[in-house]
Amino acid sequence: DGGITQSPKYLFRKEGQNVTLSCEQNLNHDAMYWYRQDPGQGLRLIYYSQIVNDFQKGDIAEGYSVSREKKESFPLTVTSAQKNPTAFYLCASSKGPGIGANVLTFGAGSRLTVL
Amino acid sequence: AQSVAQPEDQVNVAEGNPLTVKCTYSVSGNPYLFWYVQYPNRGLQFLLKYITGDNLVKGSYGFEAEFNKSQTSFHLKKPSALVSDSALYFCAVREIAGTASKLTFGTGTRLQVTL
Repeated sequence: DGGITQSPKYLFRKEGQNVTLSCEQNLNHDAMYWYRQDPGQGLRLIYYSQIVNDFQKGDIAEGYSVSREKKESFPLTVTSAQKNPTAFYLCASSKGPGIGANVLTFGAGSRLTVL
Repeated sequence: AQSVAQPEDQVNVAEGNPLTVKCTYSVSGNPYLFWYVQYPNRGLQFLLKYITGDNLVKGSYGFEAEFNKSQTSFHLKKPSALVSDSALYFCAVREIAGTASKLTFGTGTRLQVTL
């Protein structure tokens, strides 16, 4: 079945460590996105990528980095510069461009906890 | 910037009763609006979208949404609620960023359906 796979599902990190969250899709979608979800704040966009080897900052990119070397993969690195990284991270993809670009398919999420 | 607001953190309804989850929008130009649903510890799932045309949009699982331009609203509705509809619901609006488009989400409304 086609879909988006995020790993790990749960991740614990010590302060000062970088961690990388994996996101892989087999939907042949062009666009991929990373959102952060915090209680009461909804989803906030971290980074997005419309095509391979290109990505743009979202609303809260500070302390995060991404790469898009392959169409199927869009890993997110949470760096030690991110002051409050404990959150639920959601990866999504969509066809692009056009109206279909905004019907997102989401992964099941990765919950990061900083100890 | 485009934005959506969900004025209710939680909506409670008895099974079998009609339900409404509210969303208002603020956009320049024609709005492209979406509803997504999130079940516990899962990613979001697409429910429906309004691009143009009929003001009443039908979506998945018996949900529909009414676009009202004069009130800048896009409320989600269902004639008869089910306990299984209990979830977190997000309204979203498309935002154009350069040559790309992205979704901006509201803060979410928790729907609780009881027997």
